[in-house]
Amino acid sequence: SYELTQPPSVSVSPGQTARITCSGDALPKQYAYWYQQKPGQAPVLVIYKDSERPSGIPERFSGSSSGTTVTLTISGVQAEDEADYYCQSADSSGTYQFGGGTKLTVL
Amino acid sequence: QVQLVQSGAEVKKPGASVKVSCKASGYTFTSYDINWVRQATGQGLEWMGWMNPNSGNTGYAQKFQGRVTMTRNTSISTAYMELSSLRSEDTAVYYCASGRQYSGYEIWGQGTLVTVSS
Repeated sequence: SYELTQPPSVSVSPGQTARITCSGDALPKQYAYWYQQKPGQAPVLVIYKDSERPSGIPERFSGSSSGTTVTLTISGVQAEDEADYYCQSADSSGTYQFGGGTKLTVL
Repeated sequence: QVQLVQSGAEVKKPGASVKVSCKASGYTFTSYDINWVRQATGQGLEWMGWMNPNSGNTGYAQKFQGRVTMTRNTSISTAYMELSSLRSEDTAVYYCASGRQYSGYEIWGQGTLVTVSS
């Protein structure tokens, strides 16, 4: 089955830049989406169509794509950004998949 | 406002079925697909499938083929996800989610905890 691979954890100090990657063979042909999830809450969409930011999401969140890897970048990380982040995309048949998730720790 | 409101927590015995509802409000229910995602305690998100509320067409993750059924009642703007032959590994929070095409899951329900235990 199709897999999206994320690092289990990323740690940064406040004010630094966090980069979370997601790798998958179909990513050059399929859009990627990113979700933020805090404990006990439903996920929140932070990036869609690889690099678009929904209204209400801070500008410090951005997305990019290169080949089989997409990257979520959080510039000027704040304590409130500490959360789990999941990428999502589809395979060639239109079946969706989530990455395993990355725990962002703000030191 | 735009929201999805799910039914309450369920406790089921192994082998039973569970049916979770997801009521949409604040937008035209038939405009956007309803997707179902689950999350076991301490684990990641798992995509289960989608349903087009207008046509009733569905698409399921291979893992759940034969065990999951997604339906809807357009008259009350409600989607349903039924999972059968429950086992302990199905214990999880089940979410419904929706959004415009290619815009991701912009709206999420609050989640429904399903516990499978003898």
